[in-house]
Amino acid sequence: TQLLEQSPQFLSIQEGENLTVYCNSSSVFSSLQWYRQEPGEGPVLLVTVVTGGEVKKLKRLTFQFGDARKDSSLHITAAQTGDTGLYLCAGEEDKIIFGKGTRLHILP
Amino acid sequence: NAGVTQTPKFQVLKTGQSMTLQCAQDMNHNSMYWYRQDPGMGLRLIYYSASEGTTDKGEVPNGYNVSRLNKREFSLRLESAAPSQTSVYFCASSGNYRSSYEQYFGPGTRLTVT
Repeated sequence: TQLLEQSPQFLSIQEGENLTVYCNSSSVFSSLQWYRQEPGEGPVLLVTVVTGGEVKKLKRLTFQFGDARKDSSLHITAAQTGDTGLYLCAGEEDKIIFGKGTRLHILP
Repeated sequence: NAGVTQTPKFQVLKTGQSMTLQCAQDMNHNSMYWYRQDPGMGLRLIYYSASEGTTDKGEVPNGYNVSRLNKREFSLRLESAAPSQTSVYFCASSGNYRSSYEQYFGPGTRLTVT
């Protein structure tokens, strides 16, 4: 059974700080996606990474796909209150599976 | 372009009642999905439809049925609701089941079964 483990489960930090959250698996994925979900809404796709070692940037968010395509990280620089939300990773092989998410709270 | 729409947004049912959750997408996507989201459990796939005319079970299909009415619409039916089905239900669509799993989600239906 493929599993995606996300860590930490919860993270609360001050505005302006940097943070990294992780998505790990023992399985190899052909691609991996990151979504952000705000309270009362559906998840919204942020990025897809496909190539091992790939790095993608979305403003202050940096996404990296592990060389072996088993893990990924999301780094946020100078966090803002608008970054608050649930961050989900999803891996694709013959089907898509979601991690349980990291709940991020940015304090003003 | 509305994306993925779901109705209703909220619903309260008594145990044993039935209901259908509706989902429609206007992105001409081939694949559609139904998930439930529970605290601590993440998103769990109930059923999916890789293309019009096909449906397949996901991780937690028991107690649910689906219908892919046409390319746009994918409904989820609870025949006899149980308290364990209290959850938030999300519909999603993606462009092509084999080549793109990038999913676009609806706003969700919050269902309470008493």
